[in-house]
Amino acid sequence: KQEVTQIPAALSVPEGENLVLNCSFTDSAIYNLQWFRQDPGKGLTSLLLIQSSQREQTSGRLNASLDKSSGRSTLYIAASQPGDSATYLCVSRTDSWGKLQFGAGTQVVVTP
Amino acid sequence: DAGVIQSPRHEVTEMGQEVTLRCKPISGHNSLFWYRQTMMRGLELLIYFNNNVPIDDSGMPEDRFSAKMPNASFSTLKIQPSEPRDSAVYFCASSLLSDPTYEQYFGPGTRLTVT
Repeated sequence: KQEVTQIPAALSVPEGENLVLNCSFTDSAIYNLQWFRQDPGKGLTSLLLIQSSQREQTSGRLNASLDKSSGRSTLYIAASQPGDSATYLCVSRTDSWGKLQFGAGTQVVVTP
Repeated sequence: DAGVIQSPRHEVTEMGQEVTLRCKPISGHNSLFWYRQTMMRGLELLIYFNNNVPIDDSGMPEDRFSAKMPNASFSTLKIQPSEPRDSAVYFCASSLLSDPTYEQYFGPGTRLTVT
């Protein structure tokens, strides 16, 4: 059974610093890996999805890498802003029917 | 598109009452997923459907929980009778089987409180 672990569980940085969020997974036979953002009391917003054949994806200040052999993914957020404060979830898909496995999340606070 | 629509957004009910949560997937999507999120257990998959057929309901916690998808544009998750430990946020998500990424799109969730 796939297990997804996110470290750290919480992170606080001053505005302008770069954020590095780590995710590890036990089963390397994934279809894809996705990063979501969740604001308090809100739903999930997809940030980046990396297909199994890809090594990374980029969107604006966000970059996510994928290393299947080591079972790791990293989400980088450059020049953090207070608006980046949220919980970030790492999610893997190992099922052809689309079943997802969620990490517990990293709660990020960016202070002005 | 309006995205995945869930109703109600908030539900407060007393223990023992029946609760029905509703979901309208994105038009054209043929996979639908129900999730539950709690502080203790995080996000858990309860059940998912492909082409209106339940594929895996192993995440449904007890017989008190049931889900239906009578057509491609509507699904319900029912809890009967409800208990305080069912208090959680319930999310519905949909996706398209033919999409190479098979990305799931999440609804805003229903926050359920059972007193």
